[in-house]
Amino acid sequence: KAGVTQTPRYLIKTRGQQVTLSCSPISGHRSVSWYQQTPGQGLQFLFEYFSETQRNKGNFPGRFSGRQFSNSRSEMNVSTLELGDSALYLCASSARGVLTDTQYFGPGTRLTVL
Amino acid sequence: GENVEQHPSTLSVQEGDSAVIKCTYSDSASNYFPWYKQELGKGPQLIIDIRSNVGEKKDQRIAVTLNKTAKHFSLHITETQPEDSAVYFCAATPRSNDYKLSFGAGTTVTVRA
Repeated sequence: KAGVTQTPRYLIKTRGQQVTLSCSPISGHRSVSWYQQTPGQGLQFLFEYFSETQRNKGNFPGRFSGRQFSNSRSEMNVSTLELGDSALYLCASSARGVLTDTQYFGPGTRLTVL
Repeated sequence: GENVEQHPSTLSVQEGDSAVIKCTYSDSASNYFPWYKQELGKGPQLIIDIRSNVGEKKDQRIAVTLNKTAKHFSLHITETQPEDSAVYFCAATPRSNDYKLSFGAGTTVTVRA
């Protein structure tokens, strides 16, 4: 079974631009979560989608948004990029988004904002 | 919200020795505590987890203990091997059915051959 895939793996943008990251969960998984990982703040929860609905949201500004499609693939968008948005963005999927299911992480997208 | 503290930030052990990582959490409602291992260039991988109705759980060389009264939990790795070298994260969540995890800052474990 293929794992969680994220595209692109690396991205370089400039301040003020917007970016869209993509995540394809494991086949059959309906829950997709997004995390931001930085050396200073560590791993921080962004949001979680289940069956195209956002169920949970972390403490990030409205510039961070996401969506999930009917095939469970998910995208996250960051508008008006800031230098501090440079991070590894991780996506994770689980079958039902409940804690009895293992959550599988993708390799991440490394975003650099110049 | 939940605040998870993790210690130490770095840990160097001789191959074959044990490694212990400790975490504390702030929200007494937290009831799920997973541990993740992250290798260079990869996403975190779940290695073991424990729920609040269990005090200890073991899986081969890895064990986790939970003390709900003191609000701390620990990861124990015995007979360490070079492939155990990685960054380890503890996490907690107060919601029974949501993966809204709060992570510790991570521990970089180096196993010396």
